[in-house]
Amino acid sequence: AAGVIQSPRHLIKEKRETATLKCYPIPRHDTVYWYQQGPGQDPQFLISFYEKMQSDKGSIPDRFSAQQFSDYHSELNMSSLELGDSALYFCASSQRTTYNEQFFGPGTRLTVL
Amino acid sequence: SQQGEEDPQALSIQEGENATMNCSYKTSINNLQWYRQNSGRGLVHLILIRSNEREKHSGRLRVTLDTSKKSSSLLITASRAADTASYFCATDLFGNEKLTFGTGTRLTIIP
Repeated sequence: AAGVIQSPRHLIKEKRETATLKCYPIPRHDTVYWYQQGPGQDPQFLISFYEKMQSDKGSIPDRFSAQQFSDYHSELNMSSLELGDSALYFCASSQRTTYNEQFFGPGTRLTVL
Repeated sequence: SQQGEEDPQALSIQEGENATMNCSYKTSINNLQWYRQNSGRGLVHLILIRSNEREKHSGRLRVTLDTSKKSSSLLITASRAADTASYFCATDLFGNEKLTFGTGTRLTIIP
């Protein structure tokens, strides 16, 4: 079965640079979520989109922005990167009619030097 | 985590034994999901239990939910070395689908 696709899988950036993470949800899933997982931490919700509209926002820094496109893929844009942004970034997708069963992608490991 | 706490934080058992992990949460929930994560890898969805359900099975997994105690347990029977991973519970609220994760249980299966 098709899974959530994330790219790139690994990303190394310098401080103050920008990064763009991409997410391709499972076909026919209408909701996309972004989560951040720091080392040894549990995942923390950043932002979500339903049918291309932002549906919820968590503890996402103002330096980060995200959008969902007409083909349902989503991008997380991160600017002025800081050392503390180093983390695993997960995208998950769900279909609203299936009790919010969220399926996660493999994640993008961002390292900020 | 604001919502979930898991215990134990770490658990080591012999292969073939059963492993039980517990998750407690603070507010009324809509659904509770369990995920497995191998070190630094992706989160694999294991099972979802709705707030009006009390027990659910999937293969060697058994999940229970006690809404009166605001707790859930995950039982893995006949454990295998491949079950070594961290296990997280995650809850969502009515009208709010974002997941709030517990702190996770690190399970080690000793061959």
